[in-house]
Amino acid sequence: SQTIHQWPATLVQPVGSPLSLECTVEGTSNPNLYWYRQAAGRGLQLLFYSVGIGQISSEVPQNLSASRPQDRQFILSSKKLLLSDSGFYLCAWSVSLRLAGGHNEQFFGPGTRLTVL
Amino acid sequence: TQLLEQSPQFLSIQEGENLTVYCNSSSVFSSLQWYRQEPGEGPVLLVTVVTGGEVKKLKRLTFQFGDARKDSSLHITAAQPGDTGLYLCAGDSKTSYDKVIFGPGTSLSVIP
Repeated sequence: SQTIHQWPATLVQPVGSPLSLECTVEGTSNPNLYWYRQAAGRGLQLLFYSVGIGQISSEVPQNLSASRPQDRQFILSSKKLLLSDSGFYLCAWSVSLRLAGGHNEQFFGPGTRLTVL
Repeated sequence: TQLLEQSPQFLSIQEGENLTVYCNSSSVFSSLQWYRQEPGEGPVLLVTVVTGGEVKKLKRLTFQFGDARKDSSLHITAAQPGDTGLYLCAGDSKTSYDKVIFGPGTSLSVIP
């Protein structure tokens, strides 16, 4: 069965500090990978997605970046955090429609609660 | 712009009551998904509806896809405190084959 891991679970960082959030998926190959941010009690904002190693699509201009160094690893980074970067960050995977069809059902990790002070 | 709207935004009901939440759009979707998210956790996929007019049941939850595939509803019978959470609908994006768009969610609170 497939599992998705995110760490850390919670993070408190000062403004201007760097950020690195990691997500890994087990039990599947060639997944699509996604980073979302969620404000309290609200919907999901797609930040980045990737359909393969080194392939990153950015949805929202901001001071965050993403990388996919391995097939099942997705990293969200920032060089200098802003107060507005606080939120709940969710990583998700889906089966690649290009390879297997389907409906892009998203399978989420447990999330990282980031507080920037 | 492709948008999914959900109503109501918030819903607070007593245990045992029935409820319906809605997901609407002016766009046609090839499929719609429903997710439930509990506080502090990631959303969990409940169901995918694909065919216009389709009805799917998951225990006390009934999901319906509109005939025109522009809307969907989720009906919960005899709500329980364990149903509390944020209900999100999502549909395929017209701008990219590889992503979905999410509605803003309905926050449900079931009071014992």
